[in-house]
Amino acid sequence: QVQLVQSGAEVKKPGASVKLSCKASGYSFTNFFVHWVRQAPGQGLEWVGIMKPRDGDTGYGQRFQGRVTMTRDTSTSTVYMEVRSLTSEDTAVYYCVRESDSFDIWGQGTMITVSS
Amino acid sequence: QAGLTQPPSMSKDLGQTATLSCTGDRNNVGRQGAAWLQQHQGQRPKLLSYRSNNRPSGISQRFSASRSGNTASLTITGLQPEDEADYYCSAWDRSVGAWLFGGGTKLTVL
Repeated sequence: QVQLVQSGAEVKKPGASVKLSCKASGYSFTNFFVHWVRQAPGQGLEWVGIMKPRDGDTGYGQRFQGRVTMTRDTSTSTVYMEVRSLTSEDTAVYYCVRESDSFDIWGQGTMITVSS
Repeated sequence: QAGLTQPPSMSKDLGQTATLSCTGDRNNVGRQGAAWLQQHQGQRPKLLSYRSNNRPSGISQRFSASRSGNTASLTITGLQPEDEADYYCSAWDRSVGAWLFGGGTKLTVL
């Protein structure tokens, strides 16, 4: 079936970097955009950015530009997101999401905890 | 700063109808409508509708969406206990070049 499977939870110290992965299966990877959306504990959803797997084009939310990089590996149908210079405000569940007529398939989420 | 506005909470009785609102502007909701997502506690969000009035397969007909001007609405009829959840609207904003989410409405079914 169509699914996105994300990497496991991580704990990082302030100032560190983290790289998350999102492996797609059950559909043609290059035909659909993949977004990253995060949710801080007890808070709402926040769009981080978009990866267009066919050509590798990316776009980022204003507050993430310069600190987030999204890449993809078409041979493994995997999208990656690296977040640098982590602060406690980056503590959140990060979801990868397929876009097909909107956000139709969500990964299970990856909890990133930033703590000293 | 562009944003989508949702009331933070709503309470309705079992079997009643709930109408949730999402207000944006001509650069987002007013342009392409909104998508609606449902999120139960501890779970990933689920798409309920997109471009204001399209329902993915498998979504109950009790959920319907609409748009009037810059405001999108989600109507849930015959409320069930399982409808108790957080509901988010989302829309692309052409002025900031980003996807926006509303702050979410927590629906309580009494």
